[in-house]
Amino acid sequence: SSELTQEPAVSAALGQTVSITCQGDSLRSNFASWYQQKPGQAPVLVMYAKDNRPSGIPDRFSGASSGDTASLTITGAQAEDEADYFCSSRDNTHVFFGGGTRLTVL
Amino acid sequence: DVQLVQSGAEVKKPGGSLRISCQGSGYSFANYYIAWVRQMPGKGLEWMGIIYPDDSDTKYSPSFQGHVTFSADKSINTAYLQWSSLKASDTAIYFCARRTYYYDTTGGGYSYYFDYWGQGTLVTVSS
Repeated sequence: SSELTQEPAVSAALGQTVSITCQGDSLRSNFASWYQQKPGQAPVLVMYAKDNRPSGIPDRFSGASSGDTASLTITGAQAEDEADYFCSSRDNTHVFFGGGTRLTVL
Repeated sequence: DVQLVQSGAEVKKPGGSLRISCQGSGYSFANYYIAWVRQMPGKGLEWMGIIYPDDSDTKYSPSFQGHVTFSADKSINTAYLQWSSLKASDTAIYFCARRTYYYDTTGGGYSYYFDYWGQGTLVTVSS
């Protein structure tokens, strides 16, 4: 299946640790990448190849993968982390995005 | 610095044609795939497909095949997304993004991802 399933919404208290998951068959053989999108802005890459952070992304962001599930964890969520998060993966020819998870930081 | 700059917002009537652009700078434009991604109002990201500017090799998502056309002019570092007959359902923000890859030497193989994004082009189709 080409579908990637994410929880629609999660919330975390300021400073709390929160994880967002992404589930799909393609993740058994392909790493996920993760994108953060704030209102009115373009997506920003926050994690690639399972657990690699691009330059400029805080180290409170981490990634993991096991079987058909990838996860993005924010250790000590900050107010500026409030955003939509999308996972992405691929099969041999096409790319897929998850439906997105809205993170609210309380 | 790597940048992708997209053309401005457009308002078109159903049945009309349109071409929007994405100009890259700060890197070898011809040698990286450019992806197009749709975001309908209040919705998630949808991969439309990719084009390799050096030889215009293209791959379309089945959801968009036959309705849009990708092209590129590597001499001016610009990729294009084109419609010949717009529908109201084409109303969305369209992003271009540079695709790159990471090779996992521990056995994970190639991992593709989008490291730079354009600012988006809002296309509104309304009578």
